[in-house]
Amino acid sequence: DQQVKQNSPSLSVQEGRISILNCDYTNSMFDYFLWYKKYPAEGPTFLISISSIKDKNEDGRFTVFLNKSAKHLSLHIVPSQPGDSAVYFCAASLFQGAQKLVFGQGTRLTINP
Amino acid sequence: EADIYQTPRYLVIGTGKKITLECSQTMGHDKMYWYQQDPGMELHLIHYSYGVNSTEKGDLSSESTVSRIRTEHFPLTLESARPSHTSQYLCASSAGSGANVLTFGAGSRLTVL
Repeated sequence: DQQVKQNSPSLSVQEGRISILNCDYTNSMFDYFLWYKKYPAEGPTFLISISSIKDKNEDGRFTVFLNKSAKHLSLHIVPSQPGDSAVYFCAASLFQGAQKLVFGQGTRLTINP
Repeated sequence: EADIYQTPRYLVIGTGKKITLECSQTMGHDKMYWYQQDPGMELHLIHYSYGVNSTEKGDLSSESTVSRIRTEHFPLTLESARPSHTSQYLCASSAGSGANVLTFGAGSRLTVL
């Protein structure tokens, strides 16, 4: 049973506009969430994270929103740039420092010029 | 710059062969992980280690084995490769307590004919 779901396998956005990537989870015990970005032929790289005690975390052009009641989080990228084209993975763990991350299947974001 | 190195990056091998995927990190991280990912799918944890001489199986059952004789080295071995082992294998590491942020290697893409 997949505990972390990214229901959009792909997303195409025009350069300069906002990109919104979504992630849903089923395990209410998850309380720390991360986003990773992956370019072809490279490993995933950490992008941004959020603890369940917050509903928003911002880092430059990247903002993650968490809605615990809906078990939903989203990643906003604004403005979107061509270098943002990559696969984005949502991940969750039970507490900060937990050994295991549960990943979603990823969303391929394409930024069009 | 990548501080975690995986070799080989690509391997095509026949059924029944023994293979070892190498993973080394220069960050002194205690925790190391192996994830398996098929195209368009989530990353699945197959092995992890808390430190030297510590190894545990992950959430996804795997016929592979791992060892952790040195802090910096976490090789994965398949005694007899089969086509069902065809996948990408991603090695990762993280620092001590409180660290969910994994640093990934570039991955080893294995194809078993």
